[in-house]
Amino acid sequence: AQSVAQPEDQVNVAEGNPLTVKCTYSVSGNPYLFWYVQYPNRGLQFLLKYITGDNLVKGSYGFEAEFNKSQTSFHLKKPSALVSDSALYFCAVRDWGTGGFKTIFGAGTRLFVKA
Amino acid sequence: GAGVSQSPRYKVAKRGQDVALRCDPISGHVSLFWYQQALGQGPEFLTYFQNEAQLDKSGLPSDRFFAERPEGSVSTLKIQRTQQEDSAVYLCASSLGSGDQETQYFGPGTRLLVL
Repeated sequence: AQSVAQPEDQVNVAEGNPLTVKCTYSVSGNPYLFWYVQYPNRGLQFLLKYITGDNLVKGSYGFEAEFNKSQTSFHLKKPSALVSDSALYFCAVRDWGTGGFKTIFGAGTRLFVKA
Repeated sequence: GAGVSQSPRYKVAKRGQDVALRCDPISGHVSLFWYQQALGQGPEFLTYFQNEAQLDKSGLPSDRFFAERPEGSVSTLKIQRTQQEDSAVYLCASSLGSGDQETQYFGPGTRLLVL
């Protein structure tokens, strides 16, 4: 079975400070990992993904995430937060090793960036 | 270019009524996903199509839920005899394929309210 945990319902950070949004996962096989963002009154938008290769993945809007197999984590990071980064962030995983197509999403973490 | 579109955007149904939700994926996208998103939660996988083939329907909550994609493009999610617990936002997403092509592009969703 596969699962995703986002342990923080909410993250607060001051503009200009680094931000981290945490994600851990559990799969039987091998993971494809994703981060999506949902702005108010807008649909889910893709930020970045880990499929294979370099553990550090860079994505849209200056975000990056590091795949850590030993800790089964895929934390989202940004060196300097902007007020416009305030949104709802979802981590997702698909266990491609088992051959299924189900993508599992976490419950989401709301990011507030204060000016 | 055109993104994923869904219709209707809002649907109010009386308990016991049948509803049909439509998804127009991005042209040329092989993969199509349906999700159910309850208020304050992450999207929950319902079903997956590769072209016209429904390869994974493990997330459909009951036999009242049925999805089809007969020509490998437009998809319809049908809910029969709706119940109040079916109230949610139904999201459709499409992607070019799997692996490196697995980025899902989401539609705006259909908000279903069952009274």
